Amino acid sequence: EPEVTQTPSHQVTQMGQEVILRCVPISNHLYFYWYRQILGQKVEFLVSFYNNEISEKSEIFDDQFSVERPDGSNFTLKIRSTKLEDSAMYFCASRGQGMVEFFGPGTRLTVL
Amino acid sequence: SQQGEEDPQALSIQEGENATMNCSYKTSINNLQWYRQNSGRGLVHLILIRSNEREKHSGRLRVTLDTSKKSSSLLITASRAADTASYFCATDASGSARQLTFGSGTQLTVLP
Repeated sequence: EPEVTQTPSHQVTQMGQEVILRCVPISNHLYFYWYRQILGQKVEFLVSFYNNEISEKSEIFDDQFSVERPDGSNFTLKIRSTKLEDSAMYFCASRGQGMVEFFGPGTRLTVL
Repeated sequence: SQQGEEDPQALSIQEGENATMNCSYKTSINNLQWYRQNSGRGLVHLILIRSNEREKHSGRLRVTLDTSKKSSSLLITASRAADTASYFCATDASGSARQLTFGSGTQLTVLP
């Protein structure tokens, strides 16, 4: 069964460093998403991507964040200068023509 | 706004018992979905109920939706220890990408 994959599973970085989180959505899906979940809190929407551009973004998704789909398979989230409060699980999701979003296993980002 | 609030926050039952979790939301929805998350892992889609549906079944899962009360319930019958996880309701937004807004979740513990 096709699934969304994410790498790395765990990323540790120093405050102020740039990180890139990678996702491979399910092929032939059209909509791509990033969510985050701070430990013990809700899953929060960050950004959606469709037709090679951002379609929606939340207040969390400020100038420090960017997304890219550099080729036909990868979907990346970049944080330019990480802050302590960026520590969280980051989930990638994709959706085809249907209504269900399929989530990846997540990347745990720890900012020291 | 706080969309998708579940109650109870935590629920502990014996194997074989039924578990009921409730979710309330504030805005109009296209559909409501339930996801499961094992500790520190990704989100697994369980079931989707459309706004024009009142009840839906899938295996041991039963979901109800009351749009007049803006609430939903998830019933897991004949629970198993393997059902131990966090359960989240999620509503899709009116935005073009139909991104999800998650509730705070119910932590279900099924004791063997």
